[in-house]
Amino acid sequence: GAVVSQHPSWVICKSGTSVKIECRSLDFQATTMFWYRQFPKQSLMLMATSNEGSKATYEQGVEKDKFLINHASLTLSTLTVTSAHPEDSSFYICSANKRDRGTYEQYFGPGTRLTVT
Amino acid sequence: GQNIDQPTEMTATEGAIVQINCTYQTSGFNGLFWYQQHAGEAPTFLSYNVLDGLEEKGRFSSFLSRSKGYSYLLLKELQMKDSASYLCAVIGGRSTLTFGKGTMLLVSP
Repeated sequence: GAVVSQHPSWVICKSGTSVKIECRSLDFQATTMFWYRQFPKQSLMLMATSNEGSKATYEQGVEKDKFLINHASLTLSTLTVTSAHPEDSSFYICSANKRDRGTYEQYFGPGTRLTVT
Repeated sequence: GQNIDQPTEMTATEGAIVQINCTYQTSGFNGLFWYQQHAGEAPTFLSYNVLDGLEEKGRFSSFLSRSKGYSYLLLKELQMKDSASYLCAVIGGRSTLTFGKGTMLLVSP
């Protein structure tokens, strides 16, 4: 299999605080991990691509100083939403590519629901 | 740029067949995915097409025409549990996934 987990599954935080979301590939090593955001009734929007040991590549319009991504190992990437505001409330989903296969298939985590009050 | 179009909503009856279309215009092309997403959950993989033609997998089939920038997902013998959003996504030249807005399918008894 190819299982990706996310933690926490949901989080409520106050405006101005920071929140860290973890994404783990449980039974495989991930070449690349991706972070998406999905607002209600909208599609997934890619925020950034992260490769182990290097800086993340952010999509246009995504503030890298606000959404900090760390990809410390081949099985773990973290997204930290700094100084969160209500407009950051969204469904955050990560995905990962398998390291040992030349495939474009991405395996998705279950998502993290962030609510900023 | 990337542009992916698919219908916003479709309705069908249990036991019927439904076809969800997707057209795309992308910079580079390395394949097209279809995902199923239930509300509040992450997408689950349905199919991947990189060559022209039809790929059949059980009740679901996916078709691709690269020259036309067109794909469809065919769902047969619809079940109530098939009510979900169906996302068309393209791997472009940057090897990143670009998703369409999704087609909400409602299956009624």
